[in-house]
Amino acid sequence: AQTVTQSQPEMSVQEAETVTLSCTYDTSESDYYLFWYKQPPSRQMILVIRQEAYKQQNATENRFSVNFQKAAKSFSLKISDSQLGDAAMYFCAYRSAIFLRGATNKLIFGTGTLLAVQP
Amino acid sequence: SAVISQKPSRDICQRGTSLTIQCQVDSQVTMMFWYRQQPGQSLTLIATANQGSEATYESGFVIDKFPISRPNLTFSTLTVSNMSPEDSSIYLCSVAITGSYEQYFGPGTRLTVT
Repeated sequence: AQTVTQSQPEMSVQEAETVTLSCTYDTSESDYYLFWYKQPPSRQMILVIRQEAYKQQNATENRFSVNFQKAAKSFSLKISDSQLGDAAMYFCAYRSAIFLRGATNKLIFGTGTLLAVQP
Repeated sequence: SAVISQKPSRDICQRGTSLTIQCQVDSQVTMMFWYRQQPGQSLTLIATANQGSEATYESGFVIDKFPISRPNLTFSTLTVSNMSPEDSSIYLCSVAITGSYEQYFGPGTRLTVT
């Protein structure tokens, strides 16, 4: 079974600085997707960035980028120029890309990292 | 992406009663999911809501406790039955867009059972 591990329960960053959130995962599959979701106090889950495992190039979305190391099964999120609105819980998630009959292809989440942004 | 709405946004319920949560999507989607997020915890999948057939439940979740309906491609309901304080959680609806691997979430329903 696949697992996702986020070893940093809490992180803090100064406004305008850069922070990196760690995520590792375990899988025997070669084809999958990885995601970072943001959950602010409003509890809305917001998709921040996604990565296809077959792509070597790291995904970027404005101030958000990932460092995807497939061999190491690592998927870290870098937030540049941190803003107060980035304060939230961040979840790393895995989804299999293998569509088996009857399979749900569900998202498997890590335990989350609570990011605080200091003014 | 998709616009997903949930009703109610929050509720406080008595032990032993049931609550039905509605999820509405602004476009037809292939897969709809229901997740539970217990206080301070991560998300756990309850079940996949299949259109026209019974939902597929994850280990630890049963249909008698969490009956699900999906009458069409844009709507689903989750009922939390015979509630106890342990059911106090946020319940989130999620959808997978047709032809995409991405999943999007509704705003969630915060349930408190007293």
